[in-house]
Parts: sequence; C-alpha cells; structure tokens
Amino acid sequence: ETGVTQSPTHLIKTRGQQVTLRCSSQSGHNTVSWYQQALGQGPQFIFQYYREEENGRGNFPPRFSGLQFPNYSSELNVNALELDDSALYLCASRAGGAQETQYFGPGTRLLVL
Amino acid sequence: GDSVTQMEGPVTLSEEAFLTINCTYTATGYPSLFWYVQYPGEGLQLLLKATKADDKGSNKGFEATYRKETTSFHLEKGSVQVSDSAVYFCALNPTSGGGADGLTFGKGTHLIIQP
Repeated sequence: ETGVTQSPTHLIKTRGQQVTLRCSSQSGHNTVSWYQQALGQGPQFIFQYYREEENGRGNFPPRFSGLQFPNYSSELNVNALELDDSALYLCASRAGGAQETQYFGPGTRLLVL
Repeated sequence: GDSVTQMEGPVTLSEEAFLTINCTYTATGYPSLFWYVQYPGEGLQLLLKATKADDKGSNKGFEATYRKETTSFHLEKGSVQVSDSAVYFCALNPTSGGGADGLTFGKGTHLIIQP
C-alpha cells in the first residue's frame, strides 16, 4: 500500500463523452503526476502538478487537463473521448525533487466504446 | 529526447534460476533510475532505485547498478521464485528539467517463473 488512492477503479464511456478521474496523494506529497498506460505498454507521462500549478506536460493534447487542490489531491479530465483513450490511468505522488520516488496508485481502467 | 530500452518479453524461467533483465537508457545529464514492478491487475510498485553513477539499488533479493559508462541499469536476482512473476519496468527521471518532466518508462518485460 502506497497511500495513493484513485477513483473510480473502472469506468466505461462512449466516444465524445467527457470523464473525470480522481486521485488522493500520499500524505505530505505536494507533487502529483498522471500517466496513461495502454495495454501491453509502459506508462506515458501526461502532466504534473506542483502546488496547484501544472509545471510539466508530456505529449498529450489539450483535451487532457487537470487540477490540483489545496490538499494536494488531483483530478484528470479528458474531453471528447476517443477510442484510443482506453487505457489504465495512473496517478503518482512524491515529496521533493526529481530524485525522489514517485508512489503510484492502483489506477483507473477506462474503456471507451 | 530521453528514452529507455529494455529487453522484450516474455522471459520464462524455472524457479531458482538466475535472472537478468537488461535496461539501457538515453538521457542528458545524470538521471535517476528506477525499477518498478506491476502485478496483474495492479498499479506500479517501486522495486529499487539509484540516483547517481555506481550506486547499487537493492530490494527483496533484486539488485541493479547504475552504470553511466554503459548507460545501463540491468536488473538481477540470484534465485527467482514463482511469486516474482510480474511485469518489470525500467524508468528514468531526468534531473535536468527540475523534476517536471515525469518518468520515462521502458515498454516492460513480462517475467514468468515456472515451478
């Protein structure tokens, strides 16, 4: 158990819909990152939030957006869902800089039909 | 850009065999290196890490040494168990971006240990 929780565990949506995924970071961790893991692939970095501001982003379009709240919990929003958005979405939190370990939650599995 | 290359799987071994999973990386500067493990239906768990050249990370009998001269971070274990069956990911976190670039992962190596 890492202390990072995510909800929901599973979700089914249809193309064009919007989805919000939630993450509660480990206590004391002020940095939250989101990753997309397609089936049989390694996770791909979506973006990172530090003290409620996005401070890093991977190669994902603007329809992927997020928020971080004062208690450091976070949301990932995806608009205009596409079939290729079907994946496991992982949230990770850490305290401190790049050398510190990122602790992952169990993920939300999203299926887009 | 940064990248991680690890050996393709699945890797199938008998219990008590010696394990090596190769990992090489491309990055500027001095990244931190990690091995994560993913059991079926679960998220990622940190297995071990190393933050500078020649560091050795170790945990649960697994070891990996940060080799800057060969840009490698190979995972080894002397005697594997059936419970080690999982997918293993090598990853790096570049230090040059101030920690805002996220982890870069390899594609993962599926390890199957047979009794």
